[in-house]
Amino acid sequence: DAKTTQPTSMDCAEGRAANLPCNHSTISGNEYVYWYRQIHSQGPQYIIHGLKNNETNEMASLIITEDRKSSTLILPHATLRDTAVYYCIALRTTDSWGKFQFGAGTQVVVTP
Amino acid sequence: EPEVTQTPSHQVTQMGQEVILRCVPISNHLYFYWYRQILGQKVEFLVSFYNNEISEKSEIFDDQFSVERPDGSNFTLKIRSTKLEDSAMYFCASNPEAPGLAAGELFFGEGSRLTVL
Repeated sequence: DAKTTQPTSMDCAEGRAANLPCNHSTISGNEYVYWYRQIHSQGPQYIIHGLKNNETNEMASLIITEDRKSSTLILPHATLRDTAVYYCIALRTTDSWGKFQFGAGTQVVVTP
Repeated sequence: EPEVTQTPSHQVTQMGQEVILRCVPISNHLYFYWYRQILGQKVEFLVSFYNNEISEKSEIFDDQFSVERPDGSNFTLKIRSTKLEDSAMYFCASNPEAPGLAAGELFFGEGSRLTVL
């Protein structure tokens, strides 16, 4: 599975949009981009995933560049409860699905 | 909303003792996983399980570890003889969909913290 690169940390003001970048320049055609987050020491929580097209759900939007080498997770209106470590993971839909390789992620701190 | 539940939330044990961590996956899910996270480190995959057998396991999942689905609802992780380095948060996860099909969401439990003294 492709390696992903994320900034170590970022701050965001409450109520503003948080844009979290992720680089995955070696991603292959059958690898999805997944985003999870981990609030404190709780279990990772699924946010969104996509293959080629931009995706939106009730939590976030995922923008994937046309060449698929990078993506951005957008939290449209960050709240204090969005403070967490956010993980960007590339994963193939093969028998290894579910074997997520969590990296260090981006520590997002939402401030009042 | 259905959720993955794990017990105990925290277990303290002596080195060399056997430990069983229990998980109740979401009822219609077919694929089960254990991950662990040593304090301050990354979340690491341990093992995946489907149709009553291990699908894949990591290098961490050595002979000291075993998994079982004893009764159709519980999914357990057993560590036969705990070591100090087994101290970690252990997360169970489940998913309803088959690998290779349309990718979906992995549902994680809140974790069981294991402390080995």
